[in-house]
Amino acid sequence: NAGVTQTPKFQVLKTGQSMTLQCAQDMNHNSMYWYRQDPGMGLRLIYYSASEGTTDKGEVPNGYNVSRLNKREFSLRLESAAPSQTSVYFCATGREQPQHFGDGTRLSIL
Amino acid sequence: QKEVEQDPGPLSVPEGAIVSLNCTYSNSAFQYFMWYRQYSRKGPELLMYTYSSGNKEDGRFTAQVDKSSKYISLFIRDSQPSDSATYLCAMNLRAVRGNTPLVFGKGTRLSVIA
Repeated sequence: NAGVTQTPKFQVLKTGQSMTLQCAQDMNHNSMYWYRQDPGMGLRLIYYSASEGTTDKGEVPNGYNVSRLNKREFSLRLESAAPSQTSVYFCATGREQPQHFGDGTRLSIL
Repeated sequence: QKEVEQDPGPLSVPEGAIVSLNCTYSNSAFQYFMWYRQYSRKGPELLMYTYSSGNKEDGRFTAQVDKSSKYISLFIRDSQPSDSATYLCAMNLRAVRGNTPLVFGKGTRLSVIA
């Protein structure tokens, strides 16, 4: 998906390590979102940003922080990774709704 | 009761069949209804976007919303093997400060057999 780029694509961490997931979009959308997708749980919203300079908590924000660096970039940080955060993370953008998703970051925490 | 219920499947149909995918919901305030398609190891892509009750058609796809029954459907006509994917329904409501975050169903896995 050329419009939304997520890095890295895969990552393995040890419990307690920190890392930042990066997301960049070239769609010129105001809204950006971070979701996690787990088997049997569906897509759950972690944080979203309606515009540059604003962020809001979603359904499952605990253990995460976000930064809306500019209109293009929205990063998700795990300060102290836990096995429960093993998941596939998706970044999305859109005008009013999330329309375009990246291909995800597959994160495993041992 | 979950806000949005969706049968996970899997649903297996022969090529050319009409496919019906459905979701039910509990919050009568939902106003915007979406269907996403997700191929294996890819992010979801927005397929259909409807507001309130009624039908919307786009090629082989028809989205239907029945607010009185709190029930939405996605129909795929002349299904193709390339339609094999997981289909996610999602919905939200308009708030004063922009739309509320989407609530997703868990997705239905569809296989179209050639």
